[in-house]
Amino acid sequence: DGGITQSPKYLFRKEGQNVTLSCEQNLNHDAMYWYRQDPGQGLRLIYYSQIVNDFQKGDIAEGYSVSREKKESFPLTVTSAQKNPTAFYLCATLKQGASGYTFGSGTRLTVV
Amino acid sequence: ILNVEQSPQSLHVQEGDSTNFTCSFPSSNFYALHWYRWETAKSPEALFVMTLNGDEKKKGRISATLNTKEGYSYLYIKGSQPEDSATYLCAPTLNYGGATNKLIFGTGTLLAVQP
Repeated sequence: DGGITQSPKYLFRKEGQNVTLSCEQNLNHDAMYWYRQDPGQGLRLIYYSQIVNDFQKGDIAEGYSVSREKKESFPLTVTSAQKNPTAFYLCATLKQGASGYTFGSGTRLTVV
Repeated sequence: ILNVEQSPQSLHVQEGDSTNFTCSFPSSNFYALHWYRWETAKSPEALFVMTLNGDEKKKGRISATLNTKEGYSYLYIKGSQPEDSATYLCAPTLNYGGATNKLIFGTGTLLAVQP
C-alpha cells in the first residue's frame, strides 16, 4: 500500500543531543513538508521541499535542518539549537496538481 | 505569519445534533481553502478543497461553504455521530509570487459527539 512512514512513533532524547526524525514515502509525490504541533497551537511549517535537492525554510526553521537527497525521503534533524524541541512532528506530501496533503502518522519527540 | 482562526475551540454535542464551525483567514492573496479531519492516533484526512467564492462541497453528512471576499468558511455536520468526533482543521493556501502549496493551519475545532 502507498503511504507515508514516520518513525519512530515516540522518541526520547537528552537535552543537547541532535536527533533525526524519519519521513519516507512511496507515493511518488513531489513535495514534502514538516510541521510541528504544540498544545493549543495549529500546525506550524518547519521546512518544505518541492523537488529533490532543494528545500525552503518554513515559519519556524530555526534549530532544524533537512535534506532531500531522494524523492522518497525527507529527514528532519532537530539540533541542540532548537530551544523547545519537545513536540509532535508531522510529515506530509503533496502530489503535483493534487488538491491536498497526505499526512504521516507523526512522531512525538520528548527531550528530557 | 498569517492568522487563521477557528471557532469554537471545542464543541460537545449529543448524537443526532447538527453543528457547524467557522474558519476565518486573510482574504487577500487567497488561493484555496482546505478542511481536514484529524482523529486521535490517526493521520489528518483531507475532507474538502475549495477555491471559488461561493463554493459549496458535500461529503455525506458533512458540507462546507466558502466566502473568499470576507475570508471565512463554514463546516457543517448534519446529525452528528460518535464517529465524527475529531479535530477539524482548516488551512488556506495563499498566493505569494507563485508559492501556493504552503498550507497555513488554524488551531482546529475539537468535536466530541456523545452517544
